Amino acid sequence: DAGITQSPRHKVTETGTPVTLRCHQTENHRYMYWYRQDPGHGLRLIHYSYGVKDTDKGEVSDGYSVSRSKTEDFLLTLESATSSQTSVYFCAIGGGAQETQYFGPGTRLLVL
Amino acid sequence: KNEVEQSPQNLTAQEGEFITINCSYSVGISALHWLQQHPGGGIVSLFMLSSGKKKHGRLIATINIQEKHSSLHITASHPRDSAVYICAVENYGGSQGNLIFGKGTKLSVKP
Repeated sequence: DAGITQSPRHKVTETGTPVTLRCHQTENHRYMYWYRQDPGHGLRLIHYSYGVKDTDKGEVSDGYSVSRSKTEDFLLTLESATSSQTSVYFCAIGGGAQETQYFGPGTRLLVL
Repeated sequence: KNEVEQSPQNLTAQEGEFITINCSYSVGISALHWLQQHPGGGIVSLFMLSSGKKKHGRLIATINIQEKHSSLHITASHPRDSAVYICAVENYGGSQGNLIFGKGTKLSVKP
């Protein structure tokens, strides 16, 4: 295992509440990624980070924000959760282009 | 049209059979990844390749850059190979390693 954890692993929340998911790595990888996985869509990139305080948007970034204040932690925040954000969220770490990505165990989020 | 297409979507095989999963893409790429998602949800990287062929145990991955096509082969399949296999590509020229994923192929190997 690549030393990557996600917390919480499961969460149920109500529409309109803020939610923060945490990704923690012990591998000192420069790049960190947040993906969501939905039936019929596969995995899609939400945001990624290429260093401390350096982040950028992915394909489906609307409604999400991220922060990376330390190399090892990458936080994904849903400012006001909506039912369309019910999904499985995966964090991944890697070395950038043409490098293997290592995935966390995932977080199942249900927004009621 | 999706940028990464996989076929078949679902595949059922008998133990011992030779299996092929295909991936076609429509963009210029710098690398292609094959991933395996276990029934429990965990995702592991199997291969990353930009040309030719790679082999690991019973798994073989090939890529034809000119035809924009890759295949994942499993020899002597086993029930423990049952999983979703996902193809993903990196756009050419990107430095961040951002991946565009196919929707996956669900493989079930019967004993």
